[in-house]
Amino acid sequence: NAGVTQTPKFQVLKTGQSMTLQCAQDMNHEYMSWYRQDPGMGLRLIHYSVGAGITDQGEVPNGYNVSRSTTEDFPLRLLSAAPSQTSVYFCASSLTGGVSGELFFGEGSRLTVL
Amino acid sequence: AQKITQTQPGMFVQEKEAVTLDCTYDTSDQSYGLFWYKQPSSGEMIFLIYQGSYDEQNATEGRYSLNFQKARKSANLVISASQLGDSAMYFCAMRESWGGGGNKLTFGTGTQLKVEL
Repeated sequence: NAGVTQTPKFQVLKTGQSMTLQCAQDMNHEYMSWYRQDPGMGLRLIHYSVGAGITDQGEVPNGYNVSRSTTEDFPLRLLSAAPSQTSVYFCASSLTGGVSGELFFGEGSRLTVL
Repeated sequence: AQKITQTQPGMFVQEKEAVTLDCTYDTSDQSYGLFWYKQPSSGEMIFLIYQGSYDEQNATEGRYSLNFQKARKSANLVISASQLGDSAMYFCAMRESWGGGGNKLTFGTGTQLKVEL
């Protein structure tokens, strides 16, 4: 009954440090994505993937890298953290990349960059 | 232009009454999906209801219904018989094709609903 699992749930970084937010789903979903949520701005798409080996940029990709080596995992990498990347990050997946079908969200990862 | 507009930053409703949360959207696609998600103070995103652009009937899920007016590009969420547990942030979102075989879910800025006794 795991669904979408994100780790860590909380993280504090110093400017310039790197880290990886992990995301795993056990529903055999093809489509996975990363969003960031900032106050007053809803959720904005960072990167998405329509299947293993395929990734593409969303609307706010700068400063983030992704890869999709397996169907299950979609990690998000911050190469050199900046205070502007302080946010809550959500990983989401859906069975297909079509316009129907809900996205299943992880519980979120709260990142603070000092 | 905003893809999804939620004009009510905050709403209050009395317990057991109905409330409508507004959402308008902008797209040139013929095929798209409209979603509502609930985010309680604990932070998780909970799927509530879905409406496809070709669906002729308004979607309903228990106490939630979606008032879909395609010509006006609106997709309002109606919550009947409000409960204290309905107090949360509510997001309207639209999923449309975005080239390369992918798509994205675009969110509005949300409406904070507070249910009062």
